[in-house]
Amino acid sequence: ETGVTQSPTHLIKTRGQQVTLRCSSQSGHNTVSWYQQALGQGPQFIFQYYREEENGRGNFPPRFSGLQFPNYSSELNVNALELDDSALYLCASSLFMTGSNEQFFGPGTRLTVL
Amino acid sequence: AQSVTQPDIHITVSEGASLELRCNYSYGATPYLFWYVQSPGQGLQLLLKYFSGDTLVQGIKGFEAEFKRSQSSFNLRKPSVHWSDAAEYFCAVVTGNQFYFGTGTSLTVIP
Repeated sequence: ETGVTQSPTHLIKTRGQQVTLRCSSQSGHNTVSWYQQALGQGPQFIFQYYREEENGRGNFPPRFSGLQFPNYSSELNVNALELDDSALYLCASSLFMTGSNEQFFGPGTRLTVL
Repeated sequence: AQSVTQPDIHITVSEGASLELRCNYSYGATPYLFWYVQSPGQGLQLLLKYFSGDTLVQGIKGFEAEFKRSQSSFNLRKPSVHWSDAAEYFCAVVTGNQFYFGTGTSLTVIP
């Protein structure tokens, strides 16, 4: 069974640029959630994708957007990067409507905005 | 609104000593509660979870947690800490499809 994978591991961008982060969900999972974890903080929910559509969103501006593909993998896109976007971005996959809501996390992508 | 509070930012224990990490939640209904551990540069690993039933739940690596509705708490415990337990620990409450995490407790284990 393959776990959740994310790419790239690390990324450095400059303010104003755009970035795309990728996530492959665990085998058998159909739901992907994205989280932002700033240094010294707990993860904050960005949004969730199920059946290729956004299925819930946290308190993040529209420049944070996402996609889910038919194979359940997902992308997180961030436009007009700001310095405060520097964080660890975590992807988590789960099986929707199982009742457990257990999410399995990937290792994360460390984004640095200069 | 749902929220999770972990009052201890950092805890230091000696190897072999017992451990208790505190977690308080705010949620109107019966919560789904989780404890995750994060090693440096890594993602989150599930230690244990509570949905319903027995209020004392057992997890991996010898951890357990007790749900106390009257205190809105879900504290994590381990009777004897190992050096490899040094990490960041996060408590989370789930509502619908969204996890709400606490700010974490950093655990240092000294020989």
